[in-house]
Amino acid sequence: KAGVTQTPRYLIKTRGQQVTLSCSPISGHRSVSWYQQTPGQGLQFLFEYFSETQRNKGNFPGRFSGRQFSNSRSEMNVSTLELGDSALYLCASSLVMSDFGYTFGSGTRLTVV
Amino acid sequence: QKEVEQNSGPLSVPEGAIASLNCTYSDRVSQSFFWYRQYSGKSPELIMSIYSNGDKEDGRFTAQLNKASQYVSLLIRDSQPSDSATYLCAVNVYSSNSNSGYALNFGKGTSLLVTP
Repeated sequence: KAGVTQTPRYLIKTRGQQVTLSCSPISGHRSVSWYQQTPGQGLQFLFEYFSETQRNKGNFPGRFSGRQFSNSRSEMNVSTLELGDSALYLCASSLVMSDFGYTFGSGTRLTVV
Repeated sequence: QKEVEQNSGPLSVPEGAIASLNCTYSDRVSQSFFWYRQYSGKSPELIMSIYSNGDKEDGRFTAQLNKASQYVSLLIRDSQPSDSATYLCAVNVYSSNSNSGYALNFGKGTSLLVTP
C-alpha cells in the first residue's frame, strides 16, 4: 500500500513569507500529526488532526497552523517565516487519534533565507 | 516540560556485538513507549513498542521497560553495519492540550555506529 506522501520535498523561502506543506496519510489512516525536526531540538510536536479537528497542539507560536480535510489529507501553514523555522517538517500517519505507532512521511525540508 | 533523555553518542560497537541503547523519562503517568530508527537523511521508522514492565523481543531487538525507574532500553543483538542509525526513544506524556490527554515526546536520539 502507498505510504505517507509529503509535498513538496524541498522548499526555499524568504523571511516574512508564508508556506503551506501537504501530507496525504496512508489510506484508511485518519490521524495526522506534524513534527518539526532540527539538529538542536530534535523532533518537536506541532499538532495532531483527527476527523478534520485539531485534537492536540504543541508549544509553537500561532504562526504555525494546520487543517485536515474530509479525505484525511492535511496541510500545515507557517506564516511570517523566520530563519529559525528552517527545519525538516515530518508528517506522521496513524489509524486513530493518539495511536503513536506512527508511519512517517519523507518530510519537507524547509530553508528560510 | 516532559523530558525524554537519551545519550547522544555516538555509540560504537563491533559487528556481531550487542548494542544497548538507553532512555529515561520524567512523566510518571506515561504508559506507551516506542523506539524509532532513523537513517541519515531519512524519516523515522517504528521498530518497537512496549507498554508493560519487562522485556519484549522481536527478532534481534529487545525492548526493556522499568516504570518504577522510569527507564526504557533497546538491545540489538548480533549488530550489523546496517543497524548504524540514530535511535529515537518516544514516550507518551500527559498533555493538557490534547483531547486524548496524551502527546508523544521524542528524545534527541542516540547515534549508533556498528563497525565491521
